[in-house]
Amino acid sequence: ILNVEQSPQSLHVQEGDSTNFTCSFPSSNFYALHWYRWETAKSPEALFVMTLNGDEKKKGRISATLNTKEGYSYLYIKGSQPEDSATYLCAFSGGYNKLIFGAGTRLAVHP
Amino acid sequence: NAGVTQTPKFQVLKTGQSMTLQCAQDMNHEYMSWYRQDPGMGLRLIHYSVGAGITDQGEVPNGYNVSRSTTEDFPLRLLSAAPSQTSVYFCASSPFQPNNNEQFFGPGTRLTVL
Repeated sequence: ILNVEQSPQSLHVQEGDSTNFTCSFPSSNFYALHWYRWETAKSPEALFVMTLNGDEKKKGRISATLNTKEGYSYLYIKGSQPEDSATYLCAFSGGYNKLIFGAGTRLAVHP
Repeated sequence: NAGVTQTPKFQVLKTGQSMTLQCAQDMNHEYMSWYRQDPGMGLRLIHYSVGAGITDQGEVPNGYNVSRSTTEDFPLRLLSAAPSQTSVYFCASSPFQPNNNEQFFGPGTRLTVL
């Protein structure tokens, strides 16, 4: 059974803080690692799809890195804002047309 | 484009009833999938399809059926609802297999089985 772990489960930060969280995944049969942002009462939306070891992607204040050899990815948010409050999901693809999702990190940014 | 649409938004069933959750996309995506989301757990794959006429099982397929007669539609059927199927169900699509293609999610269906 493939396991995708995310830590921490939840995080409370103050507006302006920078934060990061981790996604751990199997280091064998790697095809891609996805990050999604999921706001309450909405559907998940893709942030990044990463495929190469050492990949770094950035979208505004959010960036992600990927280490496929050791099986982890970090998501960073610089200068958190209240609108960044959401659950951040990662998902591992080992081929076979399936994505395995982690349980998510719930971020709350307080003004 | 409407993207991925799901109906109904909410549904309450009694144990043993059957129903179909509808999912449609207008992006001409080949790959479609159904997930369920339960508290404290990630999205879990129920069934998926790589094109019209082709479906396969995900992690948690028991109690669910799917078919894909057109590219646009991918309904999920609950054969005999059980309280363990109380969950939020998401349909998703992508141009091709999800390996390196982002998934586009529908708004979800919240199902309660009494």
